[in-house]
Amino acid sequence: DVKVTQSSRYLVKRTGEKVFLECVQDMDHENMFWYRQDPGLGLRLIYFSYDVKMKEKGDIPEGYSVSREKKERFSLILESASTNQTSMYLCASRSMGVGEETQYFGPGTRLLVL
Amino acid sequence: DQQVKQNSPSLSVQEGRISILNCDYTNSMFDYFLWYKKYPAEGPTFLISISSIKDKNEDGRFTVFLNKSAKHLSLHIVPSQPGDSAVYFCAASAERVNRDDKIIFGKGTRLHILP
Repeated sequence: DVKVTQSSRYLVKRTGEKVFLECVQDMDHENMFWYRQDPGLGLRLIYFSYDVKMKEKGDIPEGYSVSREKKERFSLILESASTNQTSMYLCASRSMGVGEETQYFGPGTRLLVL
Repeated sequence: DQQVKQNSPSLSVQEGRISILNCDYTNSMFDYFLWYKKYPAEGPTFLISISSIKDKNEDGRFTVFLNKSAKHLSLHIVPSQPGDSAVYFCAASAERVNRDDKIIFGKGTRLHILP
């Protein structure tokens, strides 16, 4: 059973703070993703990673960076949080195996930036 | 440019009736389609998928239909239950073209099951 965990369910930060969102998956998946979900905008891809130390920009990478030092862990970093980054952040992972196209999501982190 | 479109932001259906959620796509290279269900304050959970070599896939109360010529898919839930109230995301990917390709999500449809 695939498990994707995120370090926090709820976070409150102040404008200008550096924020780390951690995601860990236990299924040895190659691909990992960070999304944000906002009302009326659906799921928007921020960054994704195909392998350790590899990263690709998604649709809305501005204001974010990522780190993938180990296969199981994918971190999202807000260098200087801003109020427009208040959102629900969702991590996902996916295998590259044939027939393994399904993407599995973590429970989400609801971030409030004051 | 939205490649996966869910044109109905919300849908209300009486309990026990059929819920039909629709999704359109524009990229003819998409060959794998998924539906996810999301409750508030939780991550999306995989519901059902369909490959482009099929036109129907059924799993219990959930059936997904794919019309490739119309670039349209739909999710049918019958009978609808109160626990089905959630946001449903349609998603698609182009597995044959590039296995590294990301899954593209629609904006979601909020389904309300009325008592």
